[in-house]
Amino acid sequence: GIQVEQSPPDLILQEGANSTLRCNFSDSVNNLQWFHQNPWGQLINLFYIPSGTKQNGRLSATTVATERYSLLYISSSQTTDSGVYFCATYGGSQGNLIFGKGTKLSVKP
Amino acid sequence: NAGVTQTPKFRVLKTGQSMTLLCAQDMNHEYMYWYRQDPGMGLRLIHYSVGEGTTAKGEVPDGYNVSRLKKQNFLLGLESAAPSQTSVYFCASSYYGDYNEQFFGPGTRLTVL
Repeated sequence: GIQVEQSPPDLILQEGANSTLRCNFSDSVNNLQWFHQNPWGQLINLFYIPSGTKQNGRLSATTVATERYSLLYISSSQTTDSGVYFCATYGGSQGNLIFGKGTKLSVKP
Repeated sequence: NAGVTQTPKFRVLKTGQSMTLLCAQDMNHEYMYWYRQDPGMGLRLIHYSVGEGTTAKGEVPDGYNVSRLKKQNFLLGLESAAPSQTSVYFCASSYYGDYNEQFFGPGTRLTVL
């Protein structure tokens, strides 16, 4: 089945810094989602981005499907950005999302 | 528009007890899913449904049963809970499959003693 790898696994930032999170997938995809799991455990949809670029406030994402990767950019990070960021794509006939292991982001004040 | 809701939020069971987790969505989605999240394992699919009255097994279905009697509800049952079922359970829904965005509920934290 499809493999989803995220990097880096851990990231510590000072408030105000910018960061780029990467998601690589082993096969072509027709769906790519980014989620933020906050410290309370909630999974929050950030982007649905099978290809191209989208922006939402300080966050933006780019997926280059032909090269099998997606990037999540966080600018001017805030402490509330802390948590785990997951990318996920559809992995097979069951219609379920295959998740990467996540990037744990800690933003220090 | 509440999106995807789950009840209860927390539950503690003793080994052998049974319980039902309820998922409800108000987005008129056809597909619904139950995942579990364990440390270091990411989210794994337990069961899913592609429409009212249908259910199918996912990656880790053993020890669970599901029902989808109404389009908006998807129930996950544990008939005889085991400590290995201690996990965080997430419900999700989407209009259809591959090309559609999935939306997740807030999760249920279950501990089996």
